[in-house]
Amino acid sequence: DAGITQSPRHKVTETGTPVTLRCHQTENHRYMYWYRQDPGHGLRLIHYSYGVKDTDKGEVSDGYSVSRSKTEDFLLTLESATSSQTSVYFCAISSESYSYNEQFFGPGTRLTVL
Amino acid sequence: AQKITQTQPGMFVQEKEAVTLDCTYDTSDPSYGLFWYKQPSSGEMIFLIYQGSYDQQNATEGRYSLNFQKARKSANLVISASQLGDSAMYFCAMREGLTGNQFYFGTGTSLTVIP
Repeated sequence: DAGITQSPRHKVTETGTPVTLRCHQTENHRYMYWYRQDPGHGLRLIHYSYGVKDTDKGEVSDGYSVSRSKTEDFLLTLESATSSQTSVYFCAISSESYSYNEQFFGPGTRLTVL
Repeated sequence: AQKITQTQPGMFVQEKEAVTLDCTYDTSDPSYGLFWYKQPSSGEMIFLIYQGSYDQQNATEGRYSLNFQKARKSANLVISASQLGDSAMYFCAMREGLTGNQFYFGTGTSLTVIP
């Protein structure tokens, strides 16, 4: 199994507070991704990274920022959380070394914004 | 337009029977990859099977096979001999370009296997 961890696994916060989610990998892979999963929408890409300090926006990037200062860590920040950002957040990694360049996912973080 | 469409929100299948989960996709890129993932109630995402746009044969992985109809832009997942442990959400996904970074996911199909 790919070594991907996410922290925290569960978080409850209040509207307007900043929140940072962490994704950590032990695979030394180049590509990392943040998704959110909501009922009726499947998984939607928030941001992704193709190397240290190299990031790009995905489909639903508004209200989110990311940083990657080390290969192993990819941080997702909600500068001022809103109730619409209540969701399950998944981190994923991929590598050209995989047979199909498929993505492997972390266990997810359940975020509730009150 | 939706890149990936899964029209079956929920499906039921009798244990030991086969079931087909539908997926259609939309892309103008001649190079793409199609993926199926399983998400059990525990929440993790599990990669099941892959089909490349240039693959001549349908992909198979154990009890999973992918019915790839390129002209119809469909990539249906077939699960043979269903087991109770197959009860889960199933997501179809596409990557445009053989090494592209953006994956597009469908909304998923919830499969329930009935004993």
